[in-house]
Parts: sequence; C-alpha cells; structure tokens
Amino acid sequence: DQQVKQNSPSLSVQEGRISILNCDYTNSMFDYFLWYKKYPAEGPTFLISISSIKDKNEDGRFTVFLNKSAKHLSLHIVPSQPGDSAVYFCAASSNFGNEKLTFGTGTRLTIIP
Amino acid sequence: GAGVSQSPSNKVTEKGKDVELRCDPISGHTALYWYRQSLGQGLEFLIYFQGNSAPDKSGLPSDRFSAERTGGSVSTLTIQRTQQEDSAVYLCASSPAWGRVDTQYFGPGTRLTVL
Repeated sequence: DQQVKQNSPSLSVQEGRISILNCDYTNSMFDYFLWYKKYPAEGPTFLISISSIKDKNEDGRFTVFLNKSAKHLSLHIVPSQPGDSAVYFCAASSNFGNEKLTFGTGTRLTIIP
Repeated sequence: GAGVSQSPSNKVTEKGKDVELRCDPISGHTALYWYRQSLGQGLEFLIYFQGNSAPDKSGLPSDRFSAERTGGSVSTLTIQRTQQEDSAVYLCASSPAWGRVDTQYFGPGTRLTVL
C-alpha cells in the first residue's frame, strides 16, 4: 500500500523552463511534507519542506505547493538548470515532522541543455 | 569527510547466506535510521535508533532482519538467510536528535544483490 505516490517516473524539461514534479498522498495523518534530491551513488539530500498549516513554501528557485483537500503537493523549479538533473523523492511525516518518513518512488528529472 | 558513511558500497551474496551492512553516522548525531529501496519502490523505513536503543522496529520486514548500535555511534544491519527479495539499496541516515525529519542526512547506501 503506497501511501505516497509519484506517478511520473521520469520528466524531461528544457533548460530555463519550469519543472513541475507532482506527489499524491493517501494518509490524512500526514502533516509535514518534504522533497529530497538524489544524485547517482549518493544518498538523498533534503531540498525543501512544507507544513500542513501552509499552502506554499519558497526557497530560491524551489517552491513547494500543498493542496490538502486534494492530498497533493508539487515542487516547482524555475528556472531549471542542468545541475537539477537528479531523482526527486517526495516524503511525508506526521506529528509535524516528528515521526518517521514515508517516501514516494521518485521522479527522474532530466534538464535538457 | 564528515558525512554519513556506509560499507560496503556493493555486496553480492548467495541466497541463504548472512550479510552485515555497516553505517557510520555523523559524529554527535544521536538518531540513526535505516531505510531500503527495492527496485521500483520508494524508500521504505526499517528501524531507527535513539542512542543505542531502538524504539521503533516496525519496519523490519521479517525476523531475519536485525540491527544493533553500539556506543551511540556505528550501527550494523544484519540479514540472515538472505532471500532474493532482500535485494535492494540499503540507506542509513543520521540526525542530531529524533524528530525534525528535515535534519536527516543520508549515506550513499549499500547495494545488496542476492543471487
């Protein structure tokens, strides 16, 4: 039972354009959401997070949007750069980030120069 | 470096053999987590340690899996009588304390292949 789903295994975007990665969840107890970025042969690194009391969090080129009613979140990267090419994992936690993480299956983003 | 390290980076074993995977967390981090990623799956939580104790073992898939942590530092994940479905990348993460999941720092993982 996949509680966090990333339905697009891969995405290709032209350099300079916007990349939009999507994530859906089913567990209504989740109230804290994170995005991780993973390069080959490295562990995931934390990118950005959002609490369920917000619907948007922005950090430089990265913005995460949360739609609680739809149980959906998205990561926007603008403008996309070649170094953004990686696998992106969506993750969720409850108790406002004080519980274990549940991860999605990842989306491989490729930025085309 | 000062990051989380794991060894070996790759392990190929025969079905039925036991394997040990090692994690060296960031110095001073009291919380340590084990995850695994099977092919086509997301990262799956296995177990976490706060100091040397493991309050949450709920993710261990069977009694063939066990983990220990000594001295509040190095942790070993042991899989006994390995099966082909155990093939996965096993990831370790550490954080300064339990809670605040955005402070977890991951190691590069151990890729386990069971033939």
